[in-house]
Amino acid sequence: AQKITQTQPGMFVQEKEAVTLDCTYDTSDQSYGLFWYKQPSSGEMIFLIYQGSYDEQNATEGRYSLNFQKARKSANLVISASQLGDSAMYFCAMREDSGGTSYGKLTFGQGTILTVHP
Amino acid sequence: GAGVSQSPSNKVTEKGKDVELRCDPISGHTALYWYRQSLGQGLEFLIYFQGNSAPDKSGLPSDRFSAERTGGSVSTLTIQRTQQEDSAVYLCASSLSSAYYNSPLHFGNGTRLTVT
Repeated sequence: AQKITQTQPGMFVQEKEAVTLDCTYDTSDQSYGLFWYKQPSSGEMIFLIYQGSYDEQNATEGRYSLNFQKARKSANLVISASQLGDSAMYFCAMREDSGGTSYGKLTFGQGTILTVHP
Repeated sequence: GAGVSQSPSNKVTEKGKDVELRCDPISGHTALYWYRQSLGQGLEFLIYFQGNSAPDKSGLPSDRFSAERTGGSVSTLTIQRTQQEDSAVYLCASSLSSAYYNSPLHFGNGTRLTVT
C-alpha cells in the first residue's frame, strides 16, 4: 500500500486565488511528521512546512498552511494568494516512528504539478 | 552557510561503467540521505546514514549500488556496472538529526546521471 498518496497529478489556479493540494497518508504509528516540499523546474527541493502528529494546531508558514485532519489521515497544503512563482511540483512526505533503522527517512508521494495562470 | 553540495552536477557514462557520486552535507548535520528521482516521478529512497549507526540500506535497488560515509561527513554513492535504467537524478539530503521529528531534509541540487 502507498504510504503517501497525492491524487492530483496536476492542478491549475488563477493568480491571487487560493489552492489546496491533497495528501493522504497511511501509518499505524502514533508519532509521525508530515512535510511539504516544492520543486520548481530548476529541480531544487525546497522545504515549505511541517506538521507533527501531536500538534493540535494546523501549521502555517506565510502563505502556506496545512489542513491537518488526523482522523482522516490527510494533510492538505493550502496556498493562499497564488503567485506565478508558485508554479512547481509539490511533494508531500512523511517521517514515521518505526523504530530501528527505518526511523528517520522521509517517504514521498508522487507529487502534484501546480500551474498558476495570470 | 553553505548548503548541501553534490558533484558532479551532470554525469554521462557508458553502460557497464562504474560511477561515483559525491555529497557534502551541511556542516553539523548528522543525518545524510540518498534519493533517486526519475523524470517526472517522485523521490525513491535509497539509503540513509545517522551518525555512527548502521546505515539503512533498505532502498538500494540492487547489489550494484553501495554508499559510504567517511568521518561522519562526506558521502559517496557508487553504482557499479551501470545500466540504462539507472539514468535518473540522484539527490542527496542532510538533516540536523533524524531524532528530531520536525527536522526537515535539506537537499542538494542533485546529480543527473545518464547511462548511454
